[in-house]
Amino acid sequence: EAGVAQSPRYKIIEKRQSVAFWCNPISGHATLYWYQQILGQGPKLLIQFQNNGVVDDSQLPKDRFSAERLKGVDSTLKIQPAKLEDSAVYLCASTGLGFLAQYFGPGTRLLVL
Amino acid sequence: DAKTTQPNSMESNEEEPVHLPCNHSTISGTDYIHWYRQLPSQGPEYVIHGLTSNVNNRMASLAIAEDRKSSTLILHRATLRDAAVYYCILRDRMDSSYKLIFGSGTRLLVRP
Repeated sequence: EAGVAQSPRYKIIEKRQSVAFWCNPISGHATLYWYQQILGQGPKLLIQFQNNGVVDDSQLPKDRFSAERLKGVDSTLKIQPAKLEDSAVYLCASTGLGFLAQYFGPGTRLLVL
Repeated sequence: DAKTTQPNSMESNEEEPVHLPCNHSTISGTDYIHWYRQLPSQGPEYVIHGLTSNVNNRMASLAIAEDRKSSTLILHRATLRDAAVYYCILRDRMDSSYKLIFGSGTRLLVRP
């Protein structure tokens, strides 16, 4: 079974630029999550999708972050404009029926200069 | 959300058992205890979870105190590959969103 795929793996941008991350969850998983992990901290949930609907985006900085999950499969997370404090690893995870566990992708490491 | 308390770091020797503690004194009756771990440069991975009884799987064992206010993740024979950050997380089984709230976890160092 293929795992959660994310791209790119690394991205370096300058502040005020925009950036987008892509995630393809495990096939058949209806629930998809985006997390932000700052160095030395645990992951923090940004947004959760159930199919193509948003379940929870209370921690998403909506003035600069946006996310979508068209057709209820893969998802993109965008930052526009980026700030220095957005430097972090962005993790995507998915879970299927029964919610036994969340399965995480390898993450995208973002550095904002 | 209920909180957990874990030591910042622990050390172990290779091939010896490791006991990773977690305190969750405010746990509610509907909270599952989940453990995830994060290897260097990887996303977190599920390890084990339990509600009241001790649990075993191929990766680890979970020992839950009788009052459920603490639990211990047991790695029976640590290997170098077990060096990771281990997160103890409470999840309300009544919450259909399966939301996970991560703390800072315990960084496990395994000495050869």
